[in-house]
Amino acid sequence: ETGVTQTPRHLVMGMTNKKSLKCEQHLGHNAMYWYKQSAKKPLELMFVYSLEERVENNSVPSRFSPECPNSSHLFLHLHTLQPEDSALYLCASSHSRDRGQPQHFGDGTRLSIL
Amino acid sequence: GESVGLHLPTLSVQEGDNSIINCAYSNSASDYFIWYKQESGKGPQFIIDIRSNMDKRQGQRVTVLLNKTVKHLSLQIAATQPGDSAVYFCAESNAGNMLTFGGGTRLMVKP
Repeated sequence: ETGVTQTPRHLVMGMTNKKSLKCEQHLGHNAMYWYKQSAKKPLELMFVYSLEERVENNSVPSRFSPECPNSSHLFLHLHTLQPEDSALYLCASSHSRDRGQPQHFGDGTRLSIL
Repeated sequence: GESVGLHLPTLSVQEGDNSIINCAYSNSASDYFIWYKQESGKGPQFIIDIRSNMDKRQGQRVTVLLNKTVKHLSLQIAATQPGDSAVYFCAESNAGNMLTFGGGTRLMVKP
């Protein structure tokens, strides 16, 4: 079983829909991250959670709402998204937020906004 | 106007040759660096990392070199194989373990 699992792998939604992306890590890590990867920009950090507490919100619009119910699960709730939000959304985890901890990524959810 | 995607520099090498992928980083306070490999349809995969108190680190078929004076990082892949074809990203971080990624380099291996 892979270390970081993301579901669904693909999602198509309209601008008025509400959906959620799910991430689960099986590595025993305490920090989890959401990233956005689009065709136009390098990988961008969106949110950071450490021990289930949000510690970073990287100027992300409120139409993206993260949730971390426990150290193994991370969600990204989506509502009233825009076409420019179409991208690959990647989840990552690391042992902690201490310096020098490699982040391990899932395979992402490919999101398309109609 | 028409949208333009992120232009990725491409390195094309012959199978069996050595590959060198370069990266310039921006923050002189960064003290930890990682190389990732991303294949089509997959997430970034950790390859090798290096801390700023080192200038070289070797793994299996890969070597990372760090030059802090000019803020330059390179990844060397020995005896490149078709399975090495992917996009390679460098990333830097400092306090809080937040990574800043470069734009990536596409490696194409010719059989």
